[in-house]
Amino acid sequence: NAGVTQTPKFRVLKTGQSMTLLCAQDMNHEYMYWYRQDPGMGLRLIHYSVGEGTTAKGEVPDGYNVSRLKKQNFLLGLESAAPSQTSVYFCATPGENYGYTFGSGTRLTVV
Amino acid sequence: AQSVTQLGSHVSVSEGALVLLRCNYSSSVPPYLFWYVQYPNQGLQLLLKYTSAATLVKGINGFEAEFKKSETSFHLTKPSAHMSDAAEYFCAVSVPAFSGGYNKLIFGAGTRLAVHP
Repeated sequence: NAGVTQTPKFRVLKTGQSMTLLCAQDMNHEYMYWYRQDPGMGLRLIHYSVGEGTTAKGEVPDGYNVSRLKKQNFLLGLESAAPSQTSVYFCATPGENYGYTFGSGTRLTVV
Repeated sequence: AQSVTQLGSHVSVSEGALVLLRCNYSSSVPPYLFWYVQYPNQGLQLLLKYTSAATLVKGINGFEAEFKKSETSFHLTKPSAHMSDAAEYFCAVSVPAFSGGYNKLIFGAGTRLAVHP
């Protein structure tokens, strides 16, 4: 989607490995969000940021860390991946009228 | 606390038939409501939104939704289904969570729409 880019698109991890997902936006928004999507559960907020250097916990923050060192980037880290973290991860920024603009997602499998 | 309930995780209709996807919300303050669509292996795309203007909201691809405060509902409809409408649909309500900033979106569990010939 225009303005929000996620990398990588796919990843397979072994239990206990670490990785970082990158979200980059070119719309100069202060706010950025990380969601995970699981079947039958919709999207759940992991962490969010209200500006450079700030982060806050969402609904399901356990097992994840985030950083917002630059305004345009929002990183989501898994220090020790677990099978329960197998999911599709979406980054988002505010869109028009309180909606969001989403990235295309990262499909993560932890084996 | 705000929440969204989508009735029916799977809905199947014939091509040309009416599409009705149900969404009920709970909110302690006047809500903003959204419908998003997700096609296979893609991100979410905004279909339509209600932000306290007209209660009947028209969106893209012929979809519309009506905000009914008395029923706390925001059901999504389309008069005639097309094969290309097959996707997953998410209802969402916005929650004031940040001081002086943008609202946080709370999503329903989603409804997968199948359209058969």
